[in-house]
Amino acid sequence: GDSVTQTEGLVTLTEGLPVMLNCTYQTIYSNPFLFWYVQHLNESPRLLLKSFTDNKRTEHQGFHATLHKSSSSFHLQKSSAQLSDSALYYCALSDRYNQGKLIFGQGTKLSIKP
Amino acid sequence: GPKVLQIPSHQIIDMGQMVTLNCDPVSNHLYFYWYKQILGQQMEFLVNFYNGKVMEKSKLFKDQFSVERPDGSYFTLKIQPTALEDSAVYFCASSLDEQYFGPGTRLTVL
Repeated sequence: GDSVTQTEGLVTLTEGLPVMLNCTYQTIYSNPFLFWYVQHLNESPRLLLKSFTDNKRTEHQGFHATLHKSSSSFHLQKSSAQLSDSALYYCALSDRYNQGKLIFGQGTKLSIKP
Repeated sequence: GPKVLQIPSHQIIDMGQMVTLNCDPVSNHLYFYWYKQILGQQMEFLVNFYNGKVMEKSKLFKDQFSVERPDGSYFTLKIQPTALEDSAVYFCASSLDEQYFGPGTRLTVL
């Protein structure tokens, strides 16, 4: 079945260093939609990035990701981590942009230290 | 931005009892969802709902589960009877296009 795999567990970085959180997926969908959601402590998960276009970089709030269908990947990157980036990050997959179910990865906790 | 509210934030209940989880979706949204997250695991889709009907449900959506949104009020998830394995955080989401999530209800079944 469809599945999403993310960087395991906890990633701890020093402020100012680059961030890369891995996301790969398996799907039968020929045109999958990929999403990154972020959940700060005591808040709801919210959409950070989305894409369905192969090899096109998408950016929001300093983060970027590129969907690569050839490698089934949608890694999340940021050039310079900030303390406020500390949160849980979820990669998710759907067969459509809206109305469809989201298939989530297990989440990666990002902790940024001064 | 738009907010989805969930009531209560925590619920503790004895196995076999009924529980109703309430979701107050974004006002103009038309599609509604429930997801379940067991501690340490990923969020998993349970069900989505549109125009008064279940559109799709997963294997996790057992016969003991039901959803409804009477008269445009809360979107509810009812579990009757509850089982120990129902202990989890339940997230509600609503959408017109992108899904907006609530903060979750932590359900503990004893």
